[in-house]
Amino acid sequence: LAKTTQPISMDSYEGQEVNITCSHNNIATNDYITWYQQFPSQGPRFIIQGYKTKVTNEVASLFIPADRKSSTLSLPRVSLSDTAVYYCVMDSSYKLIFGSGTRLLVRP
Amino acid sequence: ETGVTQSPTHLIKTRGQQVTLRCSSQSGHNTVSWYQQALGQGPQFIFQYYREEENGRGNFPPRFSGLQFPNYSSELNVNALELDDSALYLCASSGTNGDRDMGYGYTFGSGTRLTVV
Repeated sequence: LAKTTQPISMDSYEGQEVNITCSHNNIATNDYITWYQQFPSQGPRFIIQGYKTKVTNEVASLFIPADRKSSTLSLPRVSLSDTAVYYCVMDSSYKLIFGSGTRLLVRP
Repeated sequence: ETGVTQSPTHLIKTRGQQVTLRCSSQSGHNTVSWYQQALGQGPQFIFQYYREEENGRGNFPPRFSGLQFPNYSSELNVNALELDDSALYLCASSGTNGDRDMGYGYTFGSGTRLTVV
């Protein structure tokens, strides 16, 4: 069963770049790597998705090495509103496999 | 801002009772999934429906069942409630198989907080 491992928590300051790395050694060939953000009392919100190499959108970048056994979510210039739990998720055909998440705290 | 709405937002039930949770997906989203999120943990996949048929199920007992309707609404039913069923139940929708090839992901609702006493 695919499993993701990521840091339990991270601290940062406003304006800094934050990189959260996730390990997924048992990723299946057809799995996509996705990241979701979740605020308290809300459902997860899709951030970015990738299969291999680098993907960038208006809010984040996702780096995936050739062996696909890890991935790194990069958040440029975080703000206080980026304080949330970030999940590294395997999109496995019909289901999403969530890890335990990384609680990011952004300080002023 | 979210296209997925869930009701009710909070619910308290007694052990042994039955509960029905409801979800209204975005128009055009013919795939709906349900997840259970215990406090402090990541969501766990319960099942997925595609065009009103169940097409995937996680490690949950048969007392968890669902329905999807043609109007993009769906239900999660849980029979014989247990204390461990207390959790946030999330509904997620997408166009086709998560629009994974398009990189759109799933759209989640804000969930129903179920407390079993």
